[in-house]
Amino acid sequence: RKEVEQDPGPFNVPEGATVAFNCTYSNSASQSFFWYRQDCRKEPKLLMSVYSSGNEDGRFTAQLNRASQYISLLIRDSKLSDSATYLCVVNGPYGNKLVFGAGTILRVKS
Amino acid sequence: DVKVTQSSRYLVKRTGEKVFLECVQDMDHENMFWYRQDPGLGLRLIYFSYDVKMKEKGDIPEGYSVSREKKERFSLILESASTNQTSMYLCASRPPSGGDQPQHFGDGTRLSIL
Repeated sequence: RKEVEQDPGPFNVPEGATVAFNCTYSNSASQSFFWYRQDCRKEPKLLMSVYSSGNEDGRFTAQLNRASQYISLLIRDSKLSDSATYLCVVNGPYGNKLVFGAGTILRVKS
Repeated sequence: DVKVTQSSRYLVKRTGEKVFLECVQDMDHENMFWYRQDPGLGLRLIYFSYDVKMKEKGDIPEGYSVSREKKERFSLILESASTNQTSMYLCASRPPSGGDQPQHFGDGTRLSIL
């Protein structure tokens, strides 16, 4: 089983739609969780951290479910500029190493 | 803002050459990482370092070595480049473990081995 698993997509959605991605992780001791965004041929950039109580940043909402070991990302009112690959990230067995999922592709179309 | 700088955006080398990829960060981070990213495979960790002169193998260290002589600099070395090492290489840095500190990436180096 992979340490971090994501649906690779692609998710093709119209502008204005709400879209959600899930990600599961295998290490129950993980303490840190993030969503990164990666544009084509660019480096990954931090989108948001994920906190235990859930957190929101504008149109983006992240949730953590420790019991089921998954995290989610909800994007409301999708924009064309949201088209990217979204990477789920958790800290690994050693606290200083992060483990990246393979990413979920989102395509927002007009 | 954290700045992670990789020495080259694009690099073309020949099979059998010794290749050096350099990475410098300006935030005094203890942890530094080298990844490669290939289509369909996501980010794969090659090596990481949690302090000067310290290094740990990642998931795919074969064919690579690293050097961390100074805290701000982490070098990836391809001892004898092969065509299967053609890839996008990404360097990252991160503060010490604990808390919810994210990683910050450099712009990446697209390396082609001919």
